[in-house]
Amino acid sequence: AQKVTQAQTEISVVEKEDVTLDCVYETRDTTYYLFWYKQPPSGELVFLIRRNSFDEQNEISGRYSWNFQKSTSSFNFTITASQVVDSAVYFCALSETGGFKTIFGAGTRLFVKA
Amino acid sequence: DSGVTQTPKHLITATGQRVTLRCSPRSGDLSVYWYQQSLDQGLQFLIQYYNGEERAKGNILERFSAQQFPDLHSELNLSSLELGDSALYFCASSAGLAREQFFGPGTRLTVL
Repeated sequence: AQKVTQAQTEISVVEKEDVTLDCVYETRDTTYYLFWYKQPPSGELVFLIRRNSFDEQNEISGRYSWNFQKSTSSFNFTITASQVVDSAVYFCALSETGGFKTIFGAGTRLFVKA
Repeated sequence: DSGVTQTPKHLITATGQRVTLRCSPRSGDLSVYWYQQSLDQGLQFLIQYYNGEERAKGNILERFSAQQFPDLHSELNLSSLELGDSALYFCASSAGLAREQFFGPGTRLTVL
């Protein structure tokens, strides 16, 4: 069965600190897709990244970077030089082959203090 | 703006009542998902439709039902409402299976 674990419930950092959000997943499929979404205080959910199980290359987008390691079933998200606007709940999600269902982790609430 | 619309934005009703939440997906998206987010809770997957057909069910109560119409909009029907059904209900759409989902602004349901 699918499972996504975000063990960090809340993280608090000071602006300009780097922060890593952990995501560990479980699946029996060899083909699957991983996602990160952001939910700022305004409430809407925003797509950040999609990665398939055959692509283990790390990705960087501005201050955001993602580290995908199949060996440890992890897909961690790092924000470099955090800013107050990064304060949000971040969700990791998993979709298996067929993609009929997407399972979300419980989310990590990030507080960035000025 | 994700391109996904949900109506109404807020809904206040009483226990035992029935409500319908509506979702219009992004233009061209065939897949629609419904999620429930209770206070300080994660996203609970309810149900998914692809091009009018139900394809997956999550922890959706028997009191809840949904459908996707030929024009691809979707409705989530919640009946015999209980206090615990108070939550934010999100609709999302995607271009295909296992693709990134684009979320609507949500419908906040309050059951009194």
